[in-house]
Amino acid sequence: GESVGLHLPTLSVQEGDNSIINCAYSNSASDYFIWYKQESGKGPQFIIDIRSNMDKRQGQRVTVLLNKTVKHLSLQIAATQPGDSAVYFCAESGNQFYFGTGTSLTVIP
Amino acid sequence: GAVVSQHPSWVICKSGTSVKIECRSLDFQATTMFWYRQFPKQSLMLMATSNEGSKATYEQGVEKDKFLINHASLTLSTLTVTSAHPEDSSFYICSARDSGGTNEKLFFGSGTQLSVL
Repeated sequence: GESVGLHLPTLSVQEGDNSIINCAYSNSASDYFIWYKQESGKGPQFIIDIRSNMDKRQGQRVTVLLNKTVKHLSLQIAATQPGDSAVYFCAESGNQFYFGTGTSLTVIP
Repeated sequence: GAVVSQHPSWVICKSGTSVKIECRSLDFQATTMFWYRQFPKQSLMLMATSNEGSKATYEQGVEKDKFLINHASLTLSTLTVTSAHPEDSSFYICSARDSGGTNEKLFFGSGTQLSVL
């Protein structure tokens, strides 16, 4: 399958700080990417997506950045809250749907 | 947003029995559904792609006779774990892609925790 990987397995941030979660992908033909959040014992929840014709997309407190040159995307969470504690996955959407390793985000009150 | 219902959410069974997991798209049609398996503190591993009206496409290393997939309608796919053994204990998650949607976004079920005794 395709390789969609994350750089850091764990990340701890203070409440109120900004969080940055990174993801590398290997398929240069990928044209659509999605970030998901997964809480313990639950299925993944959609956070934000981005197409390859964009470099940046903003949502509510979240921003996704795409760098096609180095095949890298990141998820930025502004003013991180305890409720943001979860595992975050990036995924590449194509005929199949492959997920990266995941980054476990812990927000310290 | 689109809703995918997965049932049951938790099942405990004896070794050697078969377990069926259902995945339903409640407010959209899905010609394609995906089945994943997830171990604790690990990522989602794609097991197979379920196509309505045709055979499922299995990922390398996944036993098709062990994990039977049926996608008989545009709103329902089932995964049957046959002759389950303790090593089949895992968290199974389905997802569906809206056939009528304009993007490729996947919607996920809430997962099924399978424990085989």
